[in-house]
Amino acid sequence: DVKVTQSSRYLVKRTGEKVFLECVQDMDHENMFWYRQDPGLGLRLIYFSYDVKMKEKGDIPEGYSVSREKKERFSLILESASTNQTSMYLCASSFAGLYDGYTFGSGTRLTVV
Amino acid sequence: AQKVTQAQTEISVVEKEDVTLDCVYETRDTTYYLFWYKQPPSGELVFLIRRNSFDEQNEISGRYSWNFQKSTSSFNFTITASQVVDSAVYFCALSEELGQGNLIFGKGTKLSVKP
Repeated sequence: DVKVTQSSRYLVKRTGEKVFLECVQDMDHENMFWYRQDPGLGLRLIYFSYDVKMKEKGDIPEGYSVSREKKERFSLILESASTNQTSMYLCASSFAGLYDGYTFGSGTRLTVV
Repeated sequence: AQKVTQAQTEISVVEKEDVTLDCVYETRDTTYYLFWYKQPPSGELVFLIRRNSFDEQNEISGRYSWNFQKSTSSFNFTITASQVVDSAVYFCALSEELGQGNLIFGKGTKLSVKP
């Protein structure tokens, strides 16, 4: 069964901490994505990557960075966590070209206190 | 600019009722792709369907059916004889590049099916 695995389901961090959210896929997908989901706002794209060591800003990249050192792993980094980054974070992956949509992970619910 | 509008924020129905979830999109491209995803309470988004802009055939999969109309820029989703297990948030999404571009999501419609 193909999977996108996010390392933590729930996470509580303090304001100002550096936070790492990890995402691993086992489908040899080229593309990987980080979204955040907030009530009333839907899903918004933070960053995405088409290949190892490549990254592109999405719609709301401020306060975030990413790392993709290996094809299967895409990390989201909150450089200095703030309370307005409390959210559900969803990782997704897909093949380049023909595919049947994105495959999503189960999400990480991050609370910054 | 791309945009997806799901005007219905929440819908509540009784089991066995039919329900239609609306999706209206905006894009300047002539080639684009439309999707529906289901997000059950567990949180993981589940892919339901992809439709290409050049294929306006409606599709039926069991109790699910999709009505794609380019003339009205709509891609509506109907569940026939709804069941409690259909309770979830449903997202419509648009992409202008298959597998390359990112998905633009609507804000979702929360469907509650009561027994």
